Amino acid sequence: QKEVEQNSGPLSVPEGAIASLNCTYSDRGSQSFFWYRQYSGKSPELIMSIYSNGDKEDGRFTAQLNKASQYVSLLIRDSQPSDSATYLCAVADSWGKFQFGAGTQVVVTP
Amino acid sequence: EAQVTQNPRYLITVTGKKLTVTCSQNMNHEYMSWYRQDPGLGLRQIYYSMNVEVTDKGDVPEGYKVSRKEKRNFPLILESPSPNQTSLYFCASSSYGKMGNTIYFGEGSWLTVV
Repeated sequence: QKEVEQNSGPLSVPEGAIASLNCTYSDRGSQSFFWYRQYSGKSPELIMSIYSNGDKEDGRFTAQLNKASQYVSLLIRDSQPSDSATYLCAVADSWGKFQFGAGTQVVVTP
Repeated sequence: EAQVTQNPRYLITVTGKKLTVTCSQNMNHEYMSWYRQDPGLGLRQIYYSMNVEVTDKGDVPEGYKVSRKEKRNFPLILESPSPNQTSLYFCASSSYGKMGNTIYFGEGSWLTVV
């Protein structure tokens, strides 16, 4: 069974601090890695994608990938109340078939 | 504008009354999929399709049917809905066979079976 694992949270983060989210995956054939943000009752929206080992930065978001450890993470710097949401980790194989983690709930407190 | 459109967005129905949730995408994507989302369980895949007339079961296919007669459409059919199928449903599509393409979601369909 191919799996994508995340801590469910909630992860409570003071406003302005760094939120750190982790994700592990079991399928070594995974090629593409994504982080989606989902507000309650809404559809997931893509915030980051990463395909090779290392870091990728986009504004306040940094994704980190380590294929050897089968680990992908997301850092949110200068967390804002609008960052309060559930963050879904997704992995895709070389054919583009997706698997999703159950999500980590982030709560940014003023 | 790239879109995945699903209807209805909200539906309350009674046990046993057949219903269909439609899904359409305008991006010429090969891959389409249905997910249900329940509190604490994340997105669970119901069925997926890699192209026209090619469908396969996901993780939770029981009680659902799908068809893919046209590339743009992928309806989800509940032949005899039961209360345990009350959930939020998402249709999604992406390019298949190309690494790096992301998946696009519809806005979701809230289904309540009483």
